Amino acid sequence: GAGVSQTPSNKVTEKGKYVELRCDPISGHTALYWYRQSLGQGPEFLIYFQGTGAADDSGLPNDRFFAVRPEGSVSTLKIQRTERGDSAVYLCASSSRAQQDTQYFGPGTRLTVL
Amino acid sequence: LAKTTQPISMDSYEGQEVNITCSHNNIATNDYITWYQQFPSQGPRFIIQGYKTKVTNEVASLFIPADRKSSTLSLPRVSLSDTAVYYCLERSRGSYIPTFGRGTSLIVHP
Repeated sequence: GAGVSQTPSNKVTEKGKYVELRCDPISGHTALYWYRQSLGQGPEFLIYFQGTGAADDSGLPNDRFFAVRPEGSVSTLKIQRTERGDSAVYLCASSSRAQQDTQYFGPGTRLTVL
Repeated sequence: LAKTTQPISMDSYEGQEVNITCSHNNIATNDYITWYQQFPSQGPRFIIQGYKTKVTNEVASLFIPADRKSSTLSLPRVSLSDTAVYYCLERSRGSYIPTFGRGTSLIVHP
């Protein structure tokens, strides 16, 4: 079956603009995670959804970052007033209720803020 | 912050066995040890997980000594396609959010 997909694969924007990054998890997976990865670093946790609700958003760096998952499937990560420091690869992962400790990652969206 | 310590990089050659050791100096009683692999331009991929002793699957083996202060990921007879970054993590029972460090960049040479 299809894995986790993310769109767009690359996004270039200007400082101050608003961006939306989309994640399509594996069908049937109830848990969804967003991470951010900077060059040479491991992924950094941002937010975790169980179904439609955010079960843990402790990793969001500030209130410019927001994520939704209105129907418990697709999720959108939204970044307002982007800053150059937001440039990174944004990764999405999903897991099933039966095997929540095994996360399947998507290829990521590379965000570049000029 | 990552709680584990592992080498930044390693080099090997095709056909060799590679062992990557990770330190878990402050591992909690309920923590599992998990390893992920990440290829360039891809997200991390779960490889193996264990609590103690030895675990083996089709990809790798994981050795955890009795004191659980370290773990060793063993890749038998590596090929060029095993070139990747390998992360060791500690995952608390009941927590599904792994904390990644910088990982070990393994380069396999012809």
